[in-house]
Amino acid sequence: DAKTTQPTSMDCAEGRAANLPCNHSTISGNEYVYWYRQIHSQGPQYIIHGLKNNETNEMASLIITEDRKSSTLILPHATLRDTAVYYCIVRVAYYGGSQGNLIFGKGTKLSVKP
Amino acid sequence: DVKVTQSSRYLVKRTGEKVFLECVQDMDHENMFWYRQDPGLGLRLIYFSYDVKMKEKGDIPEGYSVSREKKERFSLILESASTNQTSMYLCASKGPKRAEAFFGQGTRLTVV
Repeated sequence: DAKTTQPTSMDCAEGRAANLPCNHSTISGNEYVYWYRQIHSQGPQYIIHGLKNNETNEMASLIITEDRKSSTLILPHATLRDTAVYYCIVRVAYYGGSQGNLIFGKGTKLSVKP
Repeated sequence: DVKVTQSSRYLVKRTGEKVFLECVQDMDHENMFWYRQDPGLGLRLIYFSYDVKMKEKGDIPEGYSVSREKKERFSLILESASTNQTSMYLCASKGPKRAEAFFGQGTRLTVV
């Protein structure tokens, strides 16, 4: 699986959009970009994933560059409850059998401030 | 609601004890995972299982073993607990055609 690079930490004002970048310059054609977050003292939570098109759900939007070497997770109106560590993961689409493992990096600690 | 349940939220064990951490999922998922999480190191994969009785080592399997006798249950075993195994342990499960993994709330293990 391709490796990812994320900033260690970021701040965002409450109510503003939080834009979290992720570099994955060695991504392969069959690898998806996944985002998870971990709020303090809880297990990680899935947010969104995509292959090459931009994706949006009720939690966030995912923007993937045309060359797929980087992506940005957007929380459109950050709240204090969005304070968490955000993980960007790149992995193959087929995850049956022994390909099922998930590898987490160190993530970005997002602090949403009032 | 999907659920991954870890048997204990907090656990204190003595050095040398055999420790069992249990994880149960109710989603009929094939894949299950055990991670440990330490400050500054993020989540590190210990073992995972992609089917009953099947297991594969993750990045840090030393000092641990696992058991998957039934599809819904994945156990992490510390054969002889040591103080450097004091950590937060997280269990997760995932179906083969689903994007998301579901995590338990974690077990904070302290070995004294």
